[in-house]
Amino acid sequence: EPEVTQTPSHQVTQMGQEVILRCVPISNHLYFYWYRQILGQKVEFLVSFYNNEISEKSEIFDDQFSVERPDGSNFTLKIRSTKLEDSAMYFCASSRDRGVAGELFFGEGSRLTVL
Amino acid sequence: TQLLEQSPQFLSIQEGENLTVYCNSSSVFSSLQWYRQEPGEGPVLLVTVVTGGEVKKLKRLTFQFGDARKDSSLHITAAQPGDTGLYLCAGVPNTGNQFYFGTGTSLTVIP
Repeated sequence: EPEVTQTPSHQVTQMGQEVILRCVPISNHLYFYWYRQILGQKVEFLVSFYNNEISEKSEIFDDQFSVERPDGSNFTLKIRSTKLEDSAMYFCASSRDRGVAGELFFGEGSRLTVL
Repeated sequence: TQLLEQSPQFLSIQEGENLTVYCNSSSVFSSLQWYRQEPGEGPVLLVTVVTGGEVKKLKRLTFQFGDARKDSSLHITAAQPGDTGLYLCAGVPNTGNQFYFGTGTSLTVIP
């Protein structure tokens, strides 16, 4: 069964360092998303991506964040200069359709710990 | 601003009991989805409800979408330890195309 895969599963970094989280969405999906979940808190939307550009982003997704689809399979989230409060579980998701019919399929997440 | 409020936030019950989780909003949603998330894993889709008043059943789970499409409920009959997890509703508001997650309900079923 097709699935969304994420790497690394866990990354520990020092504050101020750059981090890149990688995702391989399901191959025939066209819409890609990043969400984050701070420990014990709700799942928060970061950004959606379609047709090689950002289609929507939340207020969390500031200038420190960027996304890229460098090739036909990977979808990456970059945090340029990590802060302590960036520590969270980051989930990538993809969907075939958008809106009502766009059921999201999530990866298992990348846990980021900023020291 | 929290679009989707879930209640209760935490629920601990004995195996075999019934329970209901609520997802409420002041906004109208074009669809609502329910996900279950286990520790260390991503959310897994359980169901999508689209039509106001719609009821969907998934084995012992019954999902209902409110007539006004502002709320939804999840009812579990005869809960089992395997039902333990974080239950999340997620909706697409009429004003946009993006999924927003609810605050979550953490369910523990004690054997």
